[in-house]
Amino acid sequence: SQQGEEDPQALSIQEGENATMNCSYKTSINNLQWYRQNSGRGLVHLILIRSNEREKHSGRLRVTLDTSKKSSSLLITASRAADTASYFCATANSGTYKYIFGTGTRLKVLA
Amino acid sequence: DVKVTQSSRYLVKRTGEKVFLECVQDMDHENMFWYRQDPGLGLRLIYFSYDVKMKEKGDIPEGYSVSREKKERFSLILESASTNQTSMYLCASSSPLGQGAKNYTFGSGTRLTVV
Repeated sequence: SQQGEEDPQALSIQEGENATMNCSYKTSINNLQWYRQNSGRGLVHLILIRSNEREKHSGRLRVTLDTSKKSSSLLITASRAADTASYFCATANSGTYKYIFGTGTRLKVLA
Repeated sequence: DVKVTQSSRYLVKRTGEKVFLECVQDMDHENMFWYRQDPGLGLRLIYFSYDVKMKEKGDIPEGYSVSREKKERFSLILESASTNQTSMYLCASSSPLGQGAKNYTFGSGTRLTVV
């Protein structure tokens, strides 16, 4: 069962522009995380936002969470070619060991 | 630097073979996971383990089994490989972040091709 769904599936922008990706989920969650995957590699944890938080920042990353709409967004500001990757959201219900990952957004940043 | 190591980056096996995918973590994590990743389907959970010798089925366990004899090692077994098991396999372990949150650390993945 797919919990998180990212939107758009693919995004292509110029270097220096901002990139925004969205994630929608279906059930109540305890927290939501964003991960990044470079081509052919494993996923790397970027940022976590808890259900009682509305916004969080980490460097050029800004994550928002709207639990009433069951959605989250990831904003990458001043993008760089090195940001080219796939980005996944992951959600978990309270008390569960496992996170469910979305299908990802493929971001391409053109130099 | 904490690590999850998968024994092979690329693997080619024949239909019907028994295949072992190994995953080792050096972080003393209790929880370990096996996912497969296919285009358009994202990551799908095959099995996970929350302690030594403990395992639970994920969303797509058919055709797979797992073994967790030691805390640091979690093995995925394809009993009789089939072409529809050609995929990228990702191992992860998780550490608690408090208040029910966990941080996953992934291995680099094993790209398995069954011919």
